Amino acid sequence: EPEVTQTPSHQVTQMGQEVILRCVPISNHLYFYWYRQILGQKVEFLVSFYNNEISEKSEIFDDQFSVERPDGSNFTLKIRSTKLEDSAMYFCASTKTGGNTEAFFGQGTRLTVV
Amino acid sequence: DAKTTQPTSMDCAEGRAANLPCNHSTISGNEYVYWYRQIHSQGPQYIIHGLKNNETNEMASLIITEDRKSSTLILPHATLRDTAVYYCIVSLWGNQGGKLIFGQGTELSVKP
Repeated sequence: EPEVTQTPSHQVTQMGQEVILRCVPISNHLYFYWYRQILGQKVEFLVSFYNNEISEKSEIFDDQFSVERPDGSNFTLKIRSTKLEDSAMYFCASTKTGGNTEAFFGQGTRLTVV
Repeated sequence: DAKTTQPTSMDCAEGRAANLPCNHSTISGNEYVYWYRQIHSQGPQYIIHGLKNNETNEMASLIITEDRKSSTLILPHATLRDTAVYYCIVSLWGNQGGKLIFGQGTELSVKP
């Protein structure tokens, strides 16, 4: 079964450092998303991406965050200057179409900012 | 905030049907009802979605009331591996994709 792959599974970084979280969506999917989940809290939408541009972003997704699809397979989330409160699980997801459909989520990257 | 209301937790005996309710009284005419689940801290897993008709797939059945103000997810023969947090989400996606607004969900414990 096709799956969304995220690397690394766990990343530890120092406050103020830049991090890049990587995702390989399902190969024939065209719509890509990032979500995050702070420990013990709800899963929160960050951003959606289609046709090489951001479709929608949440209030969480401020200037410290950026997304990119650098090639035909990867989708990345960059946090420019990490804060302690960025510590969370980050989930990548993809969908084949833009309409009401099934979203496939990756297993997540646990980001720990120290 | 999430537009759905679910019980915080439920128990179910292994092998029995698990019926998870969800209220979405403010749903609009073209919004879909989605169900996802999350096992431990893994990525959410899609279960099923529907607009107004009842839906069934290999994982579950979705029963939506005629007025669409509530729905029930049915896992016909729950196993221990179905222990998870189940999220009922109401959403409308357009041509550029959409977003899922997760609430707290229902923590389902399947017991031997």
